[in-house]
Amino acid sequence: NAGVTQTPKFQVLKTGQSMTLQCAQDMNHNSMYWYRQDPGMGLRLIYYSASEGTTDKGEVPNGYNVSRLNKREFSLRLESAAPSQTSVYFCASILHGLNEQFFGPGTRLTVL
Amino acid sequence: DQQVKQNSPSLSVQEGRISILNCDYTNSMFDYFLWYKKYPAEGPTFLISISSIKDKNEDGRFTVFLNKSAKHLSLHIVPSQPGDSAVYFCAASARRGSTLGRLYFGRGTQLTVWP
Repeated sequence: NAGVTQTPKFQVLKTGQSMTLQCAQDMNHNSMYWYRQDPGMGLRLIYYSASEGTTDKGEVPNGYNVSRLNKREFSLRLESAAPSQTSVYFCASILHGLNEQFFGPGTRLTVL
Repeated sequence: DQQVKQNSPSLSVQEGRISILNCDYTNSMFDYFLWYKKYPAEGPTFLISISSIKDKNEDGRFTVFLNKSAKHLSLHIVPSQPGDSAVYFCAASARRGSTLGRLYFGRGTQLTVWP
């Protein structure tokens, strides 16, 4: 039981490049979330998926897109990376009816 | 507008003493509160939670207190240990309504426990 896994762990992009951050969970959780963490800003919600087939914007969705591929996987795509998207990205999941989100180890992204 | 606030970015405590981390919220719809702990280069991990029907919840060295009238909660760690040094995030949730499961996080407090 791996919990929540994220790939890659580290990534460096040039401005304008695109990439997809992958997240998968093996806990049969219904809802999944993407956050970014910046110094002094805490965890800010980018997008979430309450259930398979649905996605909703969080606090800071601009510049991102998401896909809930199936119940296990929730990907985050940067179509045209900008230096302001340099951050640590965390994926999380939760079983419906509970409140304790489980987090992945994070992806550290640098956009030059 | 931030709905969950942790006004102390950092706290330094001597080993063996009590650590008190504070959190305030503004949304009266929040009815479930959580604390997460985060070490560098790792994801946040759940520490302890409290429902709005309670005013206190204990788990070993960790106790969370909730004051609904003041919209304030605190995390007490007694006794503090060097391994407790981490960033602590307060989070809140409104379990009823369309945002079921969504958490709102504070900006975190860096706790340092020194020997």
